[in-house]
Amino acid sequence: KQEVTQIPAALSVPEGENLVLNCSFTDSAIYNLQWFRQDPGKGLTSLLLIQSSQREQTSGRLNASLDKSSGRSTLYIAASQPGDSATYLCAVPTNFGNEKLTFGTGTRLTIIP
Amino acid sequence: EPEVTQTPSHQVTQMGQEVILRCVPISNHLYFYWYRQILGQKVEFLVSFYNNEISEKSEIFDDQFSVERPDGSNFTLKIRSTKLEDSAMYFCASSGLASGELFFGEGSRLTVL
Repeated sequence: KQEVTQIPAALSVPEGENLVLNCSFTDSAIYNLQWFRQDPGKGLTSLLLIQSSQREQTSGRLNASLDKSSGRSTLYIAASQPGDSATYLCAVPTNFGNEKLTFGTGTRLTIIP
Repeated sequence: EPEVTQTPSHQVTQMGQEVILRCVPISNHLYFYWYRQILGQKVEFLVSFYNNEISEKSEIFDDQFSVERPDGSNFTLKIRSTKLEDSAMYFCASSGLASGELFFGEGSRLTVL
């Protein structure tokens, strides 16, 4: 059974700093991994989808890496801004070829102006 | 930019009442999903739907739940007889590909009294 863990559960950093969020998963036989952002009381916004054949995926100030063999992914946020404050979730398919996602509990990020 | 839309944004109902949550997926997407998030907990999979039938469902998705695509644009989740523990945020999602990037709606908050 796929288990997804995100550490830390919460993180506060001053504006302008670079930061890394971590995601680990137990079953490495995955098609892809997706990072989402969730603002309080809101829906999930897709940030990056990284395929199992890729090592990295970039979008603006965001960079996601994937190491399938070790069951880890990181989300790197450069030059953080107060608007980056949100909960960041990673999700992986529950089984290889399966459509349904297993989510982590998320990292609640606060950027201090 | 295409988006998934959900209605209502918030519904309050009495225990035992039927509830229908509505979703309009992104127009050219073929795979549809419902997820839910109980307050303070992980996002969890309910059901996936493709080619006018359920492709997978979780153990949460019991006989009280049903999904339907009544026309070419809407995708609904019905809860026949709501329980207190059904109180949660319900998210609709769609994807253009199997195991592709999922796009989520803003959610429908269901409160069962």
